[in-house]
Amino acid sequence: DTGVSQDPRHKITKRGQNVTFRCDPISEHNRLYWYRQTLGQGPEFLTYFQNEAQLEKSRLLSDRFSAERPKGSFSTLEIQRTEQGDSAMYLCASSVAGGSAEQFFGPGTRLTVL
Amino acid sequence: GQQLNQSPQSMFIQEGEDVSMNCTSSSIFNTWLWYKQDPGEGPVLLIALYKAGELTSNGRLTAQFGITRKDSFLNISASIPSDVGIYFCAGDLNFGNEKLTFGTGTRLTIIP
Repeated sequence: DTGVSQDPRHKITKRGQNVTFRCDPISEHNRLYWYRQTLGQGPEFLTYFQNEAQLEKSRLLSDRFSAERPKGSFSTLEIQRTEQGDSAMYLCASSVAGGSAEQFFGPGTRLTVL
Repeated sequence: GQQLNQSPQSMFIQEGEDVSMNCTSSSIFNTWLWYKQDPGEGPVLLIALYKAGELTSNGRLTAQFGITRKDSFLNISASIPSDVGIYFCAGDLNFGNEKLTFGTGTRLTIIP
């Protein structure tokens, strides 16, 4: 049973650089979610997909953030022109649409912007 | 964004003690979930609750969906060292399996 995987686990970048993170959901899950977690806080919702359709993106933090799920399988989250305030853990979760509310999380990508 | 209020923020207990924590909201939620997170890892789902008043157990863990739909409770009996971590509640406003709103977390530490 393969869980949600994320790559990379850690990313250190300089301010102003672009970064891209990948998430591979549980294979039979058609919903995929991105969350951001800063130190000492709970995860905060960013966006989610059902298959390849992005159903909500209003919580993306700024227009520097974008997410895609082109074939309804893996997803990428891109942050352009990174700022120090973007430093956080980026979490991906997946679930089955129309089923329970249970979302299963990956291990996260820890981003540090210098 | 909105976060649910969890209490206590932290707990220091001895191995074998029982633990109680709760989560409250100003909004009504239709689903409550409890997660545990270890340092540097993603949250792991412990228990899901779908009905007001529901009481659900998972081993030594028991959680309840408050009858007002604005709160939930988690109890851990006979704590063991691997229970150490941060516990988060999360609520789903809709039945439709959409975005979760998380609590602020309760950090559990076991004193030797």
